[in-house]
Amino acid sequence: QSVLTQPPSVSAAPGQKVTISCSGSSSNIFVSWYQQLPGTAPKLLIYENNKRPSGIPDRFSGSKSGTSATLGITGLQTGDEADYYCGTWDTSLSAHWVFGGGTKLTVL
Amino acid sequence: EVQLVESGGDLVQPGGSLRLSCAASGFTFSSYEFNWVRQAPGKGLEWVSFITYSDKTLYYADSVKGRFTISRDNAKNSLSLQMNRLRAEDTAVYYCVRGGEWAFDLWGQGTLVTVSP
Repeated sequence: QSVLTQPPSVSAAPGQKVTISCSGSSSNIFVSWYQQLPGTAPKLLIYENNKRPSGIPDRFSGSKSGTSATLGITGLQTGDEADYYCGTWDTSLSAHWVFGGGTKLTVL
Repeated sequence: EVQLVESGGDLVQPGGSLRLSCAASGFTFSSYEFNWVRQAPGKGLEWVSFITYSDKTLYYADSVKGRFTISRDNAKNSLSLQMNRLRAEDTAVYYCVRGGEWAFDLWGQGTLVTVSP
């Protein structure tokens, strides 16, 4: 069964850049990223590794190499403080969706 | 407005049953696949179940297989999750989510299910 591993937390100062990694145990083709602000439902940030839905600012970017994906956020704002999750559809054993454990971003 | 609105969350005893509903509006419901995703208090996201456009293909997480049943009514623009033999570990906010293999692009606000004596 696929497992996606994320760092539990990252932090950076306002205006800086931060990256969040997502390491997988299977070669999933597409990874997506979700932002969950405190007390709210998750929101899609990045899909198909590096595409942004309409309305998502270009401060957010995604990349993927092999079994690892990365979310990048530039020009950090206090409003970016949230939990971030990566996710992918996995068919290694039985078809199912898997999320990473989530990363808490703190903007110092 | 494009939205998903869940309902049906409640306090239920272990071993009990509950049915969650999700009302979709603002888009062509029958053109999309859907999921249920849950989040236990203070924990991360856990995918629960998936249904294709015409409910011919259903998938479940191992943790709910045999106890939960996902279904949809394209005529009523609604998604449901029948939950039987509930356990304490099923306590979570349950989200109705639009999407499939590529990503989950629309989330409801969630409905809280609490399983406790």
